[in-house]
Parts: sequence; C-alpha cells; structure tokens
Amino acid sequence: NAGVTQTPKFQVLKTGQSMTLQCAQDMNHNSMYWYRQDPGMGLRLIYYSASEGTTDKGEVPNGYNVSRLNKREFSLRLESAAPSQTSVYFCASSARGLGTGELFFGEGSRLTVL
Amino acid sequence: GESVGLHLPTLSVQEGDNSIINCAYSNSASDYFIWYKQESGKGPQFIIDIRSNMDKRQGQRVTVLLNKTVKHLSLQIAATQPGDSAVYFCAETSSGGYNKLIFGAGTRLAVHP
Repeated sequence: NAGVTQTPKFQVLKTGQSMTLQCAQDMNHNSMYWYRQDPGMGLRLIYYSASEGTTDKGEVPNGYNVSRLNKREFSLRLESAAPSQTSVYFCASSARGLGTGELFFGEGSRLTVL
Repeated sequence: GESVGLHLPTLSVQEGDNSIINCAYSNSASDYFIWYKQESGKGPQFIIDIRSNMDKRQGQRVTVLLNKTVKHLSLQIAATQPGDSAVYFCAETSSGGYNKLIFGAGTRLAVHP
C-alpha cells in the first residue's frame, strides 16, 4: 500500500526560484495537510484542506500557496524561495479532522534554499 | 543525514528495559493527545492516542498516561527493542480543531544492546 506519496524527496533551490511539492494519498481521506519540520521545533502546520475544494491557512502559511487538485492530491508551492524555507516538508492525510483521528504522513521532502 | 534530530533531548536505554518518555503540553483546553514515532528519514507514525476523559490507555507494549492537573503526558514502552530507536513526538489538540494540532519538539530514544 502506497499511503501518502510525496515528490520530490530532495530539492536544492536558489533564492527566488519557485517550485511545487506534490502529494498524493490513496486512502480516500477527506483531509490533507502540509507541515514543515525544523530542528528542535517539532512539526508546524503550513496549510490544510479539510475536504476537496477547500484550503485554509495553518500556523506558518507565509511564503506558500496550496492547491487541492482533487480528493487524492494536495500540492504546496513556493513562489519565491527564501533560505528560511530550508526545511523538511511533510504531507499528511486523515479520514477526518485533526482532533478526531490519526494522521498518515508521507516520507518527507527535504528542501534546501541557497 | 537526518537534520531533524539535532538538539533534541535524548533518552538512552538498554535493550529489554522499560522506557518512559515525558511531554509537557501547553494548552489546558486540549482534550486529545497523540504520540508519534519518527524513524530516521521517514515520516511520523501514529503510536497511540488518549482523550482527556481518560488517565491511561494501553496498546501493544506501549502505555500512555495523562495527568491533566499538571498538563503532563508520558509514553511508556515495555521491553524496549532496537527497533524502538526513533524520535518520539507528543501532540495536543482540541477535538475537531483542524489547525490546532500542536507538536512538541520531540525526544530521541536510543536503545543500546
């Protein structure tokens, strides 16, 4: 079972470049999320999508945009990358909301912005 | 290498011993708590959860204890195995809160043979 699949796994960007992180889940989950993980800070929510057709800001949305393309796919876009966006990005999904059940995470996308 | 684990508190245990990982949560209104395990190079995996109407919940080799008075959560792992070596995160939220799942910084568990 694939679960949550993220691409790419690794990416190096120069400051000002743009890129899109792709995420797909095959569990028929309604809710999808993008987190970033920085050393010593745990995971912080960037954006989430409670259901197909809706997206909302999380804790740290500045510098990012998202698209819920369909029920399976949720992409994260960096329009103009900055060194502060160097991080490990995780996509996750859940059958229901955050307060009602477990999240299933992808394996992460490691982004370095020079 | 895995940069996420830098600067984390580390718990070192001998294989076969019991491990206790502690977490202090921040919001007295939180009513749902989750423990996740993250192995090097992988995404977090759900271990066990507990709601605020419970003080204790047991799973396979794991027990979560909740003390709401002092806002403290602990994860106990019985007979710790090398495969338990990972970073462990607690997370708290209010039921139904989509954007309020707050993760702790994590604790690294190192199991020695």
